Amino acid sequence: ETGVTQTPRHLVMGMTNKKSLKCEQHLGHNAMYWYKQSAKKPLELMFVYNFKEQTENNSVPSRFSPECPNSSHLFLHLHTLQPEDSALYLCASSPFDRDAYEQYFGPGTRLTVT
Amino acid sequence: EDQVTQSPEALRLQEGESSSLNCSYTVSGLRGLFWYRQDPGKGPEFLFTLYSAGEEKEKERLKATLTKKESFLHITAPKPEDSATYLCAVQATVTGANSKLTFGKGITLSVRP
Repeated sequence: ETGVTQTPRHLVMGMTNKKSLKCEQHLGHNAMYWYKQSAKKPLELMFVYNFKEQTENNSVPSRFSPECPNSSHLFLHLHTLQPEDSALYLCASSPFDRDAYEQYFGPGTRLTVT
Repeated sequence: EDQVTQSPEALRLQEGESSSLNCSYTVSGLRGLFWYRQDPGKGPEFLFTLYSAGEEKEKERLKATLTKKESFLHITAPKPEDSATYLCAVQATVTGANSKLTFGKGITLSVRP
């Protein structure tokens, strides 16, 4: 595996379900991110982890719960979601020890909440 | 608050018809400006980073330029495979661990054969 991988690629869940999204990066980076991408809207940053520590929570509802067990893996735990949470969820990673940090994205998980 | 505005929202070109995509930005201090390409159903693919006004970078038919207020992505003699959504993002100069990118809505480019 190379780059940033995400599983599952597609997920349909009911409003009462609990599910998790998984992200793994094979780039040796130290920072990982979750973004939400909805139609006609800019990418919305949700969470940032640097060296496994959460450094930003962009006012995300508590029904989204991130977990970063190490610098290579990132999870997004989902529970009691709303239909408006349907979107493409993107994971990204970046190096931390450079002047500007381009982020490398995974393919995303297309989430549909019914 | 950092802001990124991309125009036009959509652009349709004939194969071989060169054009430019615009990204206007406001940021307290620019650390970097990034261009990405996104194909339908996929994650954004990194293209370029620009750090300071006057800087230019090229890759195949794409050339990115930067001024103090905007960036342009010039597409020379585009081909149908260049059809995608092009995203612009800025990163502000900050201290500490925050490396947030602020994205524009993107420009959807369609190139007709």
